[in-house]
Order: sequence, then C-alpha cells, then structure tokens
Amino acid sequence: GESVGLHLPTLSVQEGDSAVIKCTYSDSASNYFPWYKQELGKRPQLIIDIRSNMDKRQGQRVTVLLNKTVKHLSLQIAATQPGDSAVYFCAENEYGNKLVFGAGTILRVKS
Amino acid sequence: KAGVTQTPRYLIKTRGQQVTLSCSPISGHRSVSWYQQTPGQGLQFLFEYFSETQRNKGNFPGRFSGRQFSNSRSEMNVSTLELGDSALYLCASSSRQDAKNIQYFGAGTRLSVL
Repeated sequence: GESVGLHLPTLSVQEGDSAVIKCTYSDSASNYFPWYKQELGKRPQLIIDIRSNMDKRQGQRVTVLLNKTVKHLSLQIAATQPGDSAVYFCAENEYGNKLVFGAGTILRVKS
Repeated sequence: KAGVTQTPRYLIKTRGQQVTLSCSPISGHRSVSWYQQTPGQGLQFLFEYFSETQRNKGNFPGRFSGRQFSNSRSEMNVSTLELGDSALYLCASSSRQDAKNIQYFGAGTRLSVL
C-alpha cells in the first residue's frame, strides 16, 4: 500500500537572504533546546542550542530565539548559502538525555 | 577523537527475523541514546543507556530492546521484525560531564524489512 509520510513544511529562500524557521515545543518543563541540521543521507548535526534561562543565543550566522511564554523557538540563518539546504529539526530535552524532535522543516536555498 | 560509529550501515531482513545493531560512542561518553527515523513518524526516541543501565525508554513495543557494555558500546535488538520497522536507526552519545547534554549522532543503520 501507499505509505503516508509527514508533510514537512518547506522554506525556499534566495542565496544571501535570511531564513527563519519556527518551531513549537510541548513541555513547559523542558530546559534545553538544540537545533539539528540533517543533509540528505547524512547524520543530524547540532548547529546551535539554547537553555531555558536564555532568550537568545547567537552563533556563526545562526541565531536562536526562545519564547517560553508561548513555547516557541525560532532559528534564523543569515546570509544563506546553498550548503544550508537541509532539513532542520528543533528538539526539546525533557529529562535525562531524551530528546523529543519536531517534525522538521526543509530549507531550500536557491542560487 | 573518533565520532560515533554505527555498524552495519545497511541491513536487509525479512519479516519475523531479528536484528542486532551496534553503536560505539565517542571515547569518554557514557550515555548512548537510540532513535528511529522514518518518513511517517520522523525522529523518535527509543531508549537511553548510561553506565550499562537503561535510564529512559520511549513508546515502542517490547520487541525493541537494548543493552550497554562496560566500555559504553551499545547494541539494540529488534525481534520478530515487521515491515513497519524499516527505518534509519540512529544512535547518539553524550558526555555525562556535558551540562548541555549535547548529543552527537552516528551515521545510522538503514534497516529494510522485506
């Protein structure tokens, strides 16, 4: 039979533009939120993370914002490059090392 | 340091068989977590082992089991395979000393059940 997959949202941007990927989490007790990038056929790689005692964290070309009031996360990627094309996952750490992942967002950077 | 190593990279099995996957964590990491990735369900947590003890378990049937050895290497076993078990199985290791609980993923084992 035909399999049904998750319908991942897709964000397409022009090379050099910024991309903003949004995510919601479910558990108000979560205290650690990593973002992973997964290129096709490759392993997930951590690109940035944030703890619940912070509202904003910046890395190289990436910024993560955390709004605990509405349980929202956003990832901004500045000056996008074709190599940024991938699936991006937010995750929340509920306890121990258990990560609960979002469905993911496909980012396509057009050159 | 070598990264997280998973073997084998690819497996083909038939329904009803069992399978064992292996994960070697980054040297010094004592926590190993396993995840299943499918197009239908995304990335789902299976279980976590730390110092040879299962600390957390996800919502998977008892056919999915695991263990960890004294050298922190971990194996997961799936018995009585079903078609729906076809997936990419990822393991991730973490250092207990890392307060951020950063998890580093292996390349995964792609299991196909026919």
